[in-house]
Amino acid sequence: GAVVSQHPSRVICKSGTSVKIECRSLDFQATTMFWYRQFPKQSLMLMATSNEGSKATYEQGVEKDKFLINHASLTLSTLTVTSAHPEDSSFYICSARNTGGSLEQYFGPGTRLTVT
Amino acid sequence: GIQVEQSPPDLILQEGANSTLRCNFSDSVNNLQWFHQNPWGQLINLFYIPSGTKQNGRLSATTVATERYSLLYISSSQTTDSGVYFCAVVRSGYALNFGKGTSLLVTP
Repeated sequence: GAVVSQHPSRVICKSGTSVKIECRSLDFQATTMFWYRQFPKQSLMLMATSNEGSKATYEQGVEKDKFLINHASLTLSTLTVTSAHPEDSSFYICSARNTGGSLEQYFGPGTRLTVT
Repeated sequence: GIQVEQSPPDLILQEGANSTLRCNFSDSVNNLQWFHQNPWGQLINLFYIPSGTKQNGRLSATTVATERYSLLYISSSQTTDSGVYFCAVVRSGYALNFGKGTSLLVTP
């Protein structure tokens, strides 16, 4: 149980294009999901908290117009990187917590984005 | 926000050796998790341990919440234990705050 999937696992796009990343909780419902970014040899940094049916909460320094988050159902959150630039190249990881369960979080396998 | 410090930052072990990884945090937390990030980037849940001691095979963890630290023990290490170990604490809003990790290399 407690499986989180992400799609795609790897994506290469050209500068100026947009990329959508999906995060799904496969066997539980998640009112709240989280999006993290990890640069090489660094730790995970929280980008935003995704709330089902409401606007996402972004961390300081994260542009909400650039990183669009939609949490349309209790099992799906999407992150769209708009007008991507090479500096957006990173490893993006989502996590989810079982609504009504403990505070334990489960992570997706991550999406490696490369912007050329 | 809560500061999370992990030590040591890097560790090299010979297969079969034991090790202890430490996580200190600067404030009281609701919960704490240990993860192993494999070479492909996947975060594997090791322990959800807000307090007390848990064991899972060759791994065990202890959190002393009143003293704001947690320890992860790896016994009889194997090459497959290599990777980065993260400690993360739950802060307000349920988002995890990560330490910088301990990079472990187990050599044959």
